[in-house]
Amino acid sequence: DAGVIQSPRHEVTEMGQEVTLRCKPISGHDYLFWYRQTMMRGLELLIYFNNNVPIDDSGMPEDRFSAKMPNASFSTLKIQPSEPRDSAVYFCASSLGLRITEAFFGQGTRLTVV
Amino acid sequence: DAKTTQPPSMDCAEGRAANLPCNHSTISGNEYVYWYRQIHSQGPQYIIHGLKNNETNEMASLIITEDRKSSTLILPHATLRDTAVYYCIVRSENSGGSNYKLTFGKGTLLTVNP
Repeated sequence: DAGVIQSPRHEVTEMGQEVTLRCKPISGHDYLFWYRQTMMRGLELLIYFNNNVPIDDSGMPEDRFSAKMPNASFSTLKIQPSEPRDSAVYFCASSLGLRITEAFFGQGTRLTVV
Repeated sequence: DAKTTQPPSMDCAEGRAANLPCNHSTISGNEYVYWYRQIHSQGPQYIIHGLKNNETNEMASLIITEDRKSSTLILPHATLRDTAVYYCIVRSENSGGSNYKLTFGKGTLLTVNP
């Protein structure tokens, strides 16, 4: 398996534009997590899914952020409209959650909003 | 709320053992101790986890005190490539609901020096 795949690796966009980040989890994993990392706040959990269903989105900053998981092999995190304070590295992770197990992270998407 | 306490930084000489401490005095009976690390510009990487007993794998050893209020991650022969931020996390074994989270704190920046 190629691991968790995120795209794009880098994204630079102008304030006010819509940004879509993509994630392909490891095949067979039933949990998917979206994290955001900044120098100021560290690594924050935004939302996670179980079997494609959002379980906890309490970490989503505000209504400008939305996440979907239309099927077991694909998830998106959308920011509309984007703001400079959204600049961060966004990580996607997946895990097999029947028992305690490790979560595997993607390489991240570095988002810069100018 | 921070459930773990780690020193912000540590140094270690190459080839020597690196011992990274973590305090988790409020850990509950069904919570595991997990360790992850994050090398610069990469996603977090799982290292090891345990409940009560000491654990060892190809990467590291985990020593958990008898009262489970603290633990130590041991890298037996640190190399320059082990320079990273190391995160100690406590997490419930329940695989459903809001308990299934991987919440990262600030971690310990381990610098392995030649």
